[in-house]
Amino acid sequence: AQTVTQSQPEMSVQEAETVTLSCTYDTSESDYYLFWYKQPPSRQMILVIRQEAYKQQNATENRFSVNFQKAAKSFSLKISDSQLGDAAMYFCAYRSVFSSGSARQLTFGSGTQLTVLP
Amino acid sequence: SQTIHQWPATLVQPVGSPLSLECTVEGTSNPNLYWYRQAAGRGLQLLFYSVGIGQISSEVPQNLSASRPQDRQFILSSKKLLLSDSGFYLCAWSASDNQPQHFGDGTRLSIL
Repeated sequence: AQTVTQSQPEMSVQEAETVTLSCTYDTSESDYYLFWYKQPPSRQMILVIRQEAYKQQNATENRFSVNFQKAAKSFSLKISDSQLGDAAMYFCAYRSVFSSGSARQLTFGSGTQLTVLP
Repeated sequence: SQTIHQWPATLVQPVGSPLSLECTVEGTSNPNLYWYRQAAGRGLQLLFYSVGIGQISSEVPQNLSASRPQDRQFILSSKKLLLSDSGFYLCAWSASDNQPQHFGDGTRLSIL
């Protein structure tokens, strides 16, 4: 079974600065998807960024980018020019490419609470 | 564009009472639908998923059940709630297995 580990329960960053959130995972599969979701105080889960394991190029979405190290099974999220609205719980998630049974589910890490300081 | 609606936003129920949470998706057809539960300070745990009308798969044994009476409607139910059913419940949809899942606003369920 796959596992996702976020070793930083809490992080803080000064507004306009850059912060990196860590995520490692364990899998025996060679192809899969990785995601970062953001959960603000409103509790809605918002997709931030997605990475396909077969793609070597790191995904980017505006101020959000990832550092995907497949061999190390590491998938960190970098937030540049942090804004007050970035404050939220961030979850790393894994999904198999196989489309049967429990492989459909997202396996989530325990989350990192990000505080943005003005 | 596609939207997902989930209600109610909050619910307080006594132990032993029934439960019905509803989720509907608009702007797409034949979506994959999911129910997740999030315990306080924890990640999400998949409870049920559905790939079509009447097709429900359960991931975790529990006293909850799910139904999909219509293509874009997914219902989470219980005949008798337990204290341990308290939590935050999220419905999600995806266009297919290899597309990202998009979540509703969630329901905060408190059992007294």
